[in-house]
This record gives sequence, C-alpha cells and structure tokens, in this order.
Amino acid sequence: ETGVTQTPRHLVMGMTNKKSLKCEQHLGHNAMYWYKQSAKKPLELMFVYSLEERVENNSVPSRFSPECPNSSHLFLHLHTLQPEDSALYLCASSQRQGRGKTEAFFGQGTRLTVV
Amino acid sequence: LAKTTQPISMDSYEGQEVNITCSHNNIATNDYITWYQQFPSQGPRFIIQGYKTKVTNEVASLFIPADRKSSTLSLPRVSLSDTAVYYCLVGDNYRSGYSTLTFGKGTMLLVSP
Repeated sequence: ETGVTQTPRHLVMGMTNKKSLKCEQHLGHNAMYWYKQSAKKPLELMFVYSLEERVENNSVPSRFSPECPNSSHLFLHLHTLQPEDSALYLCASSQRQGRGKTEAFFGQGTRLTVV
Repeated sequence: LAKTTQPISMDSYEGQEVNITCSHNNIATNDYITWYQQFPSQGPRFIIQGYKTKVTNEVASLFIPADRKSSTLSLPRVSLSDTAVYYCLVGDNYRSGYSTLTFGKGTMLLVSP
C-alpha cells in the first residue's frame, strides 16, 4: 500500500466509449502525475499537476483529458480512444524533500484495453 | 535529470547477491540517486535513495563512489519475488513547485530457482 489508490484496476472499453480513471492520495503531496506504460516500453509522463494546476502536458492527444478538482484527487477522462492507447496507466504523487531529492509514490495502475 | 545508463537485463539465482550498476556521468552537485522497483502490471515502488558513500535499509544497499558518477544497487540473497524491473533515477528535474521524474528502460532482473 503506497497511499495512492487508483480505480478501476482493469478497464475494457470500446473506441466510442467515454470512461474515467480515478486516482486518490492522502499523503498531503502537492504534485500529481499521470504516466502511461505500453508493453515493453518505458514509462511516459503524460500530465503533471502542481497545486491543482496543470503544469505539464507532454503532447498528449486531446482524447485524454485530465482533471484535478483538489489536491487529493486526479482523474483521466477518456473518449474515442484507439487500440494503440491500450496500456497501463499509472498515477503518482510526490513531495520534494530537498534539492535534487524527490520521492514519488505510485498507484497500482489501471490496465486499459481498447477494443 | 542526469542521463543514466544501466544494463537492460540481469539473471540470478535464489540466494545470490545481485549488484546492479548505474552510470550517471553528468550528475549535478545537488542530485540524489534514487532506485525504484517495478513488478509486472504495478506501479514503481521506491527502494532506496542516497547522495554519497553507502546507504542501507531493510531492502537493499546503495553504494556511491566519491566521484558520484555511478552507483550500485545491491540486493542481498535475492528470492524469486525480487524478479522485477529496477530503475535508477538521478536528480528530480525540479521546476516551480513540482518535479518531473523521467524513467528510462531500467534493468530487468530475473531470479531463477
């Protein structure tokens, strides 16, 4: 248990569906992240929220829409996805502990399959 | 973040000590070295973090030479459950209020009976 909870753990959706992934942390961290991990590929940073404000969007297609209503919750809204979007989606939170020193806490991830 | 280089994969047997080395020639003065472990279909998990010399916790040891251009994660007496991908990260690419942690390909450690 890392203190970061993601739901659902598994999701199968059609290309015309709309779904949302949820992430929750009660660690008091002020930064939250969405990462994507495709099969046999490194983690790709998608979005970063700092103090509930989106601060980074790494060229992610608009069919992925993040939302951060408060410092404890992060959502990833999905619509009209493609089969190549099938991947493990990971949420993380972090708090800087000093210069050059940050520890990130990850959720268990949502295994998404687009059919 | 400083660029890191680590082996793509390593094989070991149960009960052996495993040492995974990470090279980071352009590490900055304030950068800490952090290692994460990731099991299949799970998020990475923090293992250990250090700045210089040696750090030890209940899971692993981290050896950092004086020039800090490399580091070695040491896993004592590995078991099958230590099979995972191990990532070495250097620094935290801190911006105004947040860090962006970039993960490389990591080292896939396979422990066999």
